[in-house]
Amino acid sequence: GENVEQHPSTLSVQEGDSAVIKCTYSDSASNYFPWYKQELGKRPQLIIDIRSNVGEKKDQRIAVTLNKTAKHFSLHITETQPEDSAVYFCAAVGRGGYNKLIFGAGTRLAVHP
Amino acid sequence: EPEVTQTPSHQVTQMGQEVILRCVPISNHLYFYWYRQILGQKVEFLVSFYNNEISEKSEIFDDQFSVERPDGSNFTLKIRSTKLEDSAMYFCAFIGGTGDGYTFGSGTRLTVV
Repeated sequence: GENVEQHPSTLSVQEGDSAVIKCTYSDSASNYFPWYKQELGKRPQLIIDIRSNVGEKKDQRIAVTLNKTAKHFSLHITETQPEDSAVYFCAAVGRGGYNKLIFGAGTRLAVHP
Repeated sequence: EPEVTQTPSHQVTQMGQEVILRCVPISNHLYFYWYRQILGQKVEFLVSFYNNEISEKSEIFDDQFSVERPDGSNFTLKIRSTKLEDSAMYFCAFIGGTGDGYTFGSGTRLTVV
């Protein structure tokens, strides 16, 4: 069935370091890959997304790369700050034509001052 | 991201009781969704709703669940006879007519006791 695998489940970095979170997806028909940041008790908030016709997208300290052949996509956060601490979810649009999202299991990122 | 309000923000209910969760979409939204997130776990797709009918539903969305957009504004999720395992955060979500990414609602924390 449709599946998105996400690694690592937890990530601890020092402030200023980079953080990388990786996801793989199973459905080769997926064409939209958003990343969400979720703080405790709050809704997922879109931080960046990428469509399958693009290999890389950058927004300030955040970038996403997509390898369609390998069905991998990754989130890169540079110059991490304590306020980047949160749970990050990758997702992929699943089959069915109605744009449902299949989420990864999440990565808990801790940025230490 | 625009704010999408869900009510109530937190509901505690007795097992076996019916609950109705509500969401107020922004007017240009076309596709409507419900997702749930059990504490500490990933976000899971429940159902998609387009053109006033269910377009897709997951295995989680069994006969005790129903969705409606009764008055063309509010989007509701009803759970007829709640179980302990229904305790979770429930998020509505939308895709707008511009083809932008998902917007998630503020969430309802449902606690079944």
